[in-house]
Amino acid sequence: GNSVTQMEGPVTLSEEAFLTINCTYTATGYPSLFWYVQYPGEGLQLLLKATKADDKGSNKGFEATYRKETTSFHLEKGSVQVSDSAVYFCALSDLNFGNEKLTFGTGTRLTIIP
Amino acid sequence: SQTIHQWPATLVQPVGSPLSLECTVEGTSNPNLYWYRQAAGRGLQLLFYSVGIGQISSEVPQNLSASRPQDRQFILSSKKLLLSDSGFYLCAFGVRVPPLHFGNGTRLTVT
Repeated sequence: GNSVTQMEGPVTLSEEAFLTINCTYTATGYPSLFWYVQYPGEGLQLLLKATKADDKGSNKGFEATYRKETTSFHLEKGSVQVSDSAVYFCALSDLNFGNEKLTFGTGTRLTIIP
Repeated sequence: SQTIHQWPATLVQPVGSPLSLECTVEGTSNPNLYWYRQAAGRGLQLLFYSVGIGQISSEVPQNLSASRPQDRQFILSSKKLLLSDSGFYLCAFGVRVPPLHFGNGTRLTVT
């Protein structure tokens, strides 16, 4: 079955540091890949997505590239801000089953220190 | 525009009491609907999904049940809550094209 393995947290960085959160996946078919973000006390918001190999999703300075050869979708940001403190979830969706239910990683809590 | 509403935002219930969480979607017809749970220190687990009225699929055996009495209404229920039911419950909808759209969640504490 489908699975997502995500970098263990928590991760603590100083403001303006470079961020990488690793994500690898196992899936049948041709999944779409996502990063969701959960700010304190809130639900999940879509951060970025990629629907096919070599696609790069980007939003709010974050980027992730769909790498089929390494089955990875690592999240990166060149210079983090305090407002980026949140929990980040990597997820995949396999439309072969006729619905878009997501399989999530365990989440990575990110804290940015001023 | 498409929106999703979930309530209540927080809930504290004693062990053995019933539960009803409600989720409604606006701005689309015949959405796929989902209930996820996020337990403390753990990731997101899919509990139920529905592709139409009265059609419910359960992903994991548990103390909870789900119903879809109307096209855009999804309800999560329990007859008797357990301590282990505590967590953050998220409703989501999809329109068969990624991504899923999530509600703001309900934080349930069973005491």
